Amino acid sequence: GESVGLHLPTLSVQEGDNSIINCAYSNSASDYFIWYKQESGKGPQFIIDIRSNMDKRQGQRVTVLLNKTVKHLSLQIAATQPGDSAVYFCAENNNAGNMLTFGGGTRLMVKP
Amino acid sequence: DAGVTQSPTHLIKTRGQQVTLRCSPKSGHDTVSWYQQALGQGPQFIFQYYEEEERQRGNFPDRFSGHQFPNYSSELNVNALLLGDSALYLCASSWGLAGGQETQYFGPGTRLLVL
Repeated sequence: GESVGLHLPTLSVQEGDNSIINCAYSNSASDYFIWYKQESGKGPQFIIDIRSNMDKRQGQRVTVLLNKTVKHLSLQIAATQPGDSAVYFCAENNNAGNMLTFGGGTRLMVKP
Repeated sequence: DAGVTQSPTHLIKTRGQQVTLRCSPKSGHDTVSWYQQALGQGPQFIFQYYEEEERQRGNFPDRFSGHQFPNYSSELNVNALLLGDSALYLCASSWGLAGGQETQYFGPGTRLLVL
């Protein structure tokens, strides 16, 4: 398949370990945040979202933390598996419309 | 339940040509957004269609235009292609405008190469 990102920051973790992917967002007016996973040759896949009135949200094996004070978002993946290997993007949406602004992405590599 | 579909999957054009890309939204969705993703970067918003009208537009020239049909499917047209238009073009669908908090689901994309 085609490579999604050739020069992205890379996080390498051992299978079974927890992963933390960080993202700094730019617009203090943003009120909705989403994490997407993108595998090579595919479109972004929705993982989890969080609204600005929350600071933590949990899904299946994933947790998103939002710190509005420092405009920081993180994605925690528990018990990382080889199938989690992909590029992860955070996206923000301000209340001016439905336009998503994406961060630069982080490549997660899971070592067996 | 069909997800977002896009056609074609790959396309090769030469500079100056025109291209049309197509998108069918996820079942139950009525809003379509288009994004351009250059290699190694995050997607960039081009524009969004709702009720057959362009509702919001990103920082893209008028060479990029679109259309939404009554069945909610959409087309992206790019005229006078430049080498820099080579990218993965992504379509995302959602339901309604809802002040910007509707989850957008992406299709697999169309890879455009301009020679």
